[in-house]
Amino acid sequence: QVQLQESGPGLVKPSETLSLTCSVSGDSISGYYWSWIRQPPGKGPEWIGYINYSGSTSYNPSLKSRVTISVDMSKEQFSLKLSSVTAADTAMYYCARCIAAAGFGFDIWGQGTMVTVSS
Amino acid sequence: QSVLTQPPSVSGAPGQRVTISCTGSSSSIGAGYDVHWYQQLPGTAPKLLIYGSINRPSGVPERFSGSKSGTSASLAITGLQADDEADYYCQSHDSSLITYVFGTGTKVTVL
Repeated sequence: QVQLQESGPGLVKPSETLSLTCSVSGDSISGYYWSWIRQPPGKGPEWIGYINYSGSTSYNPSLKSRVTISVDMSKEQFSLKLSSVTAADTAMYYCARCIAAAGFGFDIWGQGTMVTVSS
Repeated sequence: QSVLTQPPSVSGAPGQRVTISCTGSSSSIGAGYDVHWYQQLPGTAPKLLIYGSINRPSGVPERFSGSKSGTSASLAITGLQADDEADYYCQSHDSSLITYVFGTGTKVTVL
């Protein structure tokens, strides 16, 4: 079955850029939309943005100025870059597959990776 | 940024039925956008329970059901079991915020 695995640094300094990668296995990355979602400790999830197989993107307006999501079809991976991070960006970061045909729910999730912003 | 309001907690005895409400607005649920529900067990990623407001993914028990009316949606759990103890989140789209939004979350406790 489809599996997602996030990878990247667990500690990022304030003002630097957070970079994470999601590896997709068990199915092709083409034909789907893929999202990044984060969840601060003790709080609910927040959608960051999505990318589809052709590279089309959509971002949460509250993060849009700092977010870039890209896809590497050859590696079956998609990536997140979040610039100028602050302590408020400390969260568990998940990658997820979108059900575009059914109102954009998220049916497959990675296990998540905790990112702490601290000097 | 959450514009979907859920009760902070609900509880019930084993075997009982509980419902979780998700209240949106005319720019989210009331605009016709689908509602999805997730179960998050402690220390794990959210798991999709209901998509498209009423549909269950393969493998999700029939004890879980979803409904939608007006600007609100609900998740019902019948035959409550101990392993249903988790946080539950609704999710939809908001056309005024132009983003996908999650609810405030509800903790289900089995007494």
